[in-house]
Amino acid sequence: SQQGEEDPQALSIQEGENATMNCSYKTSINNLQWYRQNSGRGLVHLILIRSNEREKHSGRLRVTLDTSKKSSSLLITASRAADTASYFCATDAGMGSNYKLTFGKGTLLTVNP
Amino acid sequence: EPEVTQTPSHQVTQMGQEVILRCVPISNHLYFYWYRQILGQKVEFLVSFYNNEISEKSEIFDDQFSVERPDGSNFTLKIRSTKLEDSAMYFCASSRTGGNTEAFFGQGTRLTVV
Repeated sequence: SQQGEEDPQALSIQEGENATMNCSYKTSINNLQWYRQNSGRGLVHLILIRSNEREKHSGRLRVTLDTSKKSSSLLITASRAADTASYFCATDAGMGSNYKLTFGKGTLLTVNP
Repeated sequence: EPEVTQTPSHQVTQMGQEVILRCVPISNHLYFYWYRQILGQKVEFLVSFYNNEISEKSEIFDDQFSVERPDGSNFTLKIRSTKLEDSAMYFCASSRTGGNTEAFFGQGTRLTVV
């Protein structure tokens, strides 16, 4: 798989349920970021987790990072219809100030009311 | 809340024409980027820019592309002679520092080359 691969590719759940999306990557990273994209719109930054962190929370979001497995997960609790979007992980593996993000293909989350 | 703004939101251009996509990064950010997303594909890095020069560019960013910070607020991407395959959503992003920090993206410019 390529750097920053999410699974599943698509996920459909009912409002109120939890949604878990996973991301795997191949190289060492400085940090991993999760973004949301509503259809045809911009990328909204959700959360950043650094390589020395294992878990981070922001509101209904929980992100974990396992550098030994080169994987991360994004959990959205108590999902809402407004959470319907594509979710991308992006890894920063740059050296020094060479900062660029490598994105995965994303998980399309559909939350049914 | 500060945000990255991009104009125009949509641009349709004829093949071979030059286009300039404009961005206003977040005001206290020092690092600026362009990414693109071809329909149905991944978001891809094009170029990063710091201290009035390119820090890094991808192999996509060939001689047809250039970036400029013409004044203290704008950051532009120019495509000199557009090709059909340049059709994509182009995102501008900025970050406060050059590494290990959040990158904030604009809403994008949808470029259609006909």
